[in-house]
Amino acid sequence: DQQVKQNSPSLSVQEGRISILNCDYTNSMFDYFLWYKKYPAEGPTFLISISSIKDKNEDGRFTVFLNKSAKHLSLHIVPSQPGDSAVYFCAASDPNYGGSQGNLIFGKGTKLSVKP
Amino acid sequence: DAGVTQSPTHLIKTRGQHVTLRCSPISGHKSVSWYQQVLGQGPQFIFQYYEKEERGRGNFPDRFSARQFPNYSSELNVNALLLGDSALYLCASSIDANTEAFFGQGTRLTVV
Repeated sequence: DQQVKQNSPSLSVQEGRISILNCDYTNSMFDYFLWYKKYPAEGPTFLISISSIKDKNEDGRFTVFLNKSAKHLSLHIVPSQPGDSAVYFCAASDPNYGGSQGNLIFGKGTKLSVKP
Repeated sequence: DAGVTQSPTHLIKTRGQHVTLRCSPISGHKSVSWYQQVLGQGPQFIFQYYEKEERGRGNFPDRFSARQFPNYSSELNVNALLLGDSALYLCASSIDANTEAFFGQGTRLTVV
């Protein structure tokens, strides 16, 4: 049973436009969320995170929004660039391990394609 | 600075065999976690070790085991391989058990 869900397997966006990647979760005890980016033949790379005490966190072109009542978070990339083309994973820190980032629950990922 | 390094990068094994995967964390990192990523899925947590002690274990059978050495490197062992064990095995290290995890490039295991 998936506790972290990314329901869109793929997303295609034009360069310069906004990319919005969505993630839903089922466990209301989750209190720390992360986004990772993964290129083929590489391991996931940390992008941005958000704690449940916030509803927004921004880092350059990347912004993550958290809606706790809806158990939903989203990653916004503005403006999108061709180099952003990758698989994006949403992850939650397992509360059974006290917020450890060494024990993450991942979604299935969304493949983002940014077209020039 | 070297990142997380995993060896080998690719491996082909036969059903029933045993495999050992290795991970060297970033220098100064004391926590190592292992994940399995099958095609089309996100990484799934297998183990976390911190200061050579097992700190967490995911929902994997006892055929999977791991350990962490005094230099904080780690091995993941899988016995009696099944076709379904074919996956990308990822290692991640962090300074301690609760800080940002950095991933290696993974070991691609194929069981035939």
